[in-house]
Amino acid sequence: IVLTQSPATLSLSPGERATLSCRASQSISTYLAWYQQKPGQTPRLLIYDASNRATGVPARFSGSGSGTDFTLTISSLEPEDFAVYYCQQRSNWPRTFGQGTKVEIK
Amino acid sequence: EVQLVESGGGLVQPGGSLRLSCAASGFIFSDHYMDWVRQAPGKGLEWVGRIRNKPNSYTTEYAASVKGRFTISRDDSKNSLYLQMNSLITEDTAVYYCARDFKSYGYYDYWGQGTLVTVSS
Repeated sequence: IVLTQSPATLSLSPGERATLSCRASQSISTYLAWYQQKPGQTPRLLIYDASNRATGVPARFSGSGSGTDFTLTISSLEPEDFAVYYCQQRSNWPRTFGQGTKVEIK
Repeated sequence: EVQLVESGGGLVQPGGSLRLSCAASGFIFSDHYMDWVRQAPGKGLEWVGRIRNKPNSYTTEYAASVKGRFTISRDDSKNSLYLQMNSLITEDTAVYYCARDFKSYGYYDYWGQGTLVTVSS
């Protein structure tokens, strides 16, 4: 299953709303996670099964979608949110990740 | 506190072998499925493979790109995960992370800091 993320780069200012997309090449129900990776750090699980926030993840992060189209929304960007975000599916083998969306400061 | 610490990376020539280790602590290692994920320099994440736990017969899954060349194993008595990499090619150059499966869901809630493998002549 190929996961295609868009856009590749999102240039926004702190306080703005970020909307990231992940599209699957076939239906994966809600078997999708989102991760955040900052430079020099390991990925952090944010959202699992499309819409469930992982432990300790702020409420400004939300996920939605099912089937082939998924969205990660950051309601109001904080300075620490500028990072690369990956989606990942667990519906089929092999597990696959999207290519990432970089959220950068405008 | 959950900790995953990889070791064993380094420079290896094409065709060579390397064995990575991942030492786990802070949780009941034997309960969890464990995976390896890699990241080439400046690139995205690529799943490498999985090993399940004893109740699931330690079965494994592999990405097509490494199947037949890489072998994942574990030693629950040592809280350790391993990745034996043979017939290495330049495309295997990456940081290799061990990652804990979250509730057997197939997502990863804890990651090691990674170990760099460079395949080059």
